[in-house]
Amino acid sequence: DAKTTQPNSMESNEEEPVHLPCNHSTISGTDYIHWYRQLPSQGPEYVIHGLTSNVNNRMASLAIAEDRKSSTLILHRATLRDAAVYYCILRDRGSTLGRLYFGRGTQLTVWP
Amino acid sequence: KAGVTQTPRYLIKTRGQQVTLSCSPISGHRSVSWYQQTPGQGLQFLFEYFSETQRNKGNFPGRFSGRQFSNSRSEMNVSTLELGDSALYLCASSALSGVNWAEAFFGQGTRLTVV
Repeated sequence: DAKTTQPNSMESNEEEPVHLPCNHSTISGTDYIHWYRQLPSQGPEYVIHGLTSNVNNRMASLAIAEDRKSSTLILHRATLRDAAVYYCILRDRGSTLGRLYFGRGTQLTVWP
Repeated sequence: KAGVTQTPRYLIKTRGQQVTLSCSPISGHRSVSWYQQTPGQGLQFLFEYFSETQRNKGNFPGRFSGRQFSNSRSEMNVSTLELGDSALYLCASSALSGVNWAEAFFGQGTRLTVV
């Protein structure tokens, strides 16, 4: 599975937008880009996923570069509850395996 | 609907003992995966079950095993516990629609401490 690269940590102030980057230069044409986050003392939770086009849902937006070699998770107004580790994961849409490859993720700190 | 339920939430065992952890997936989900999370190694894949069959296995010793029942509930077992097995064990369930995966839903995990 193709690897992703994320910054170890990022900080934001409450109610400000947050842009979390992810590089995936070896992405294949059949890889979906998934984002999960893990709040303290919780299991990971799904945030968003996309293939080629930008995606929006109630939690966040996903902006995918035209060449698909990078993507950005956008939290439009950070809250204290958004403090978590964010994982960018590639998942082959043709694979029937449920395995997810987690890297180290980005630790997001939100300041009040 | 109810989420993924893992039991017990916390467990303390002694080196050399064995332990069994349980996971009840979301109703209708037939895929269950297990992960180990430690501060040093992060989240690592253990194994995946689909319709009672193990379909994928991570790079863990044979002391780690699992199974899935006909109702999709899954158990994982660790025999001859070592101090290094202390970790958060997470279970995730997913639905498979055609060849496209929906999101994975994780339980809160079982915190295993080996002393």
